[in-house]
Amino acid sequence: DTEVTQTPKHLVMGMTNKKSLKCEQHMGHRAMYWYKQKAKKPPELMFVYSYEKLSINESVPSRFSPECPNSSLLNLHLHALQPEDSALYLCASSSRRSEQFFGPGTRLTVL
Amino acid sequence: DQQVKQNSPSLSVQEGRISILNCDYTNSMFDYFLWYKKYPAEGPTFLISISSIKDKNEDGRFTVFLNKSAKHLSLHIVPSQPGDSAVYFCAAEGNTDKLIFGTGTRLQVFP
Repeated sequence: DTEVTQTPKHLVMGMTNKKSLKCEQHMGHRAMYWYKQKAKKPPELMFVYSYEKLSINESVPSRFSPECPNSSLLNLHLHALQPEDSALYLCASSSRRSEQFFGPGTRLTVL
Repeated sequence: DQQVKQNSPSLSVQEGRISILNCDYTNSMFDYFLWYKKYPAEGPTFLISISSIKDKNEDGRFTVFLNKSAKHLSLHIVPSQPGDSAVYFCAAEGNTDKLIFGTGTRLQVFP
């Protein structure tokens, strides 16, 4: 299995909702990542988990809360988001010092 | 401060000809470079990478060249095919888990 899966594919939520994005990989990769991508912009790193521990938080607002339940799963919990948080959220995984494999992304719309 | 730059937002090439995509970086600590291809509403797909100890890496139709003194890398696609039409991102890493993406170049290959 050489892919990263993400669910849901699309998500529409109100500013008072709580939702979660899920990511899964079965490649035995030790690092997992969340990125945010706005239209016509490059992916922007949000969080990095290394060996299931949060190693990088790029000063992301607390309304985004990551969680790594085990080495194959990565969640992003969303609460009280703003319309400007609407974007494509990408998950990726990698072994040490190698290419990151990306999932297809979740298209998030905040109303 | 944009540490990785792709100065050409778009490139149009005839099928069968060579496509050359360029990327410049400013941080001399970067030692691993990658190229990704991205279709709209999908995750980036890894194409090819190069370590700073090399100046060239080839994989099929794709070749990446690295000029460390100029802090410049390029991706050559020969021959170009219509299916190569996408946005191409270069990315750089410097012994951390942080991948810094360039701004992207939209390649269009026409018949």
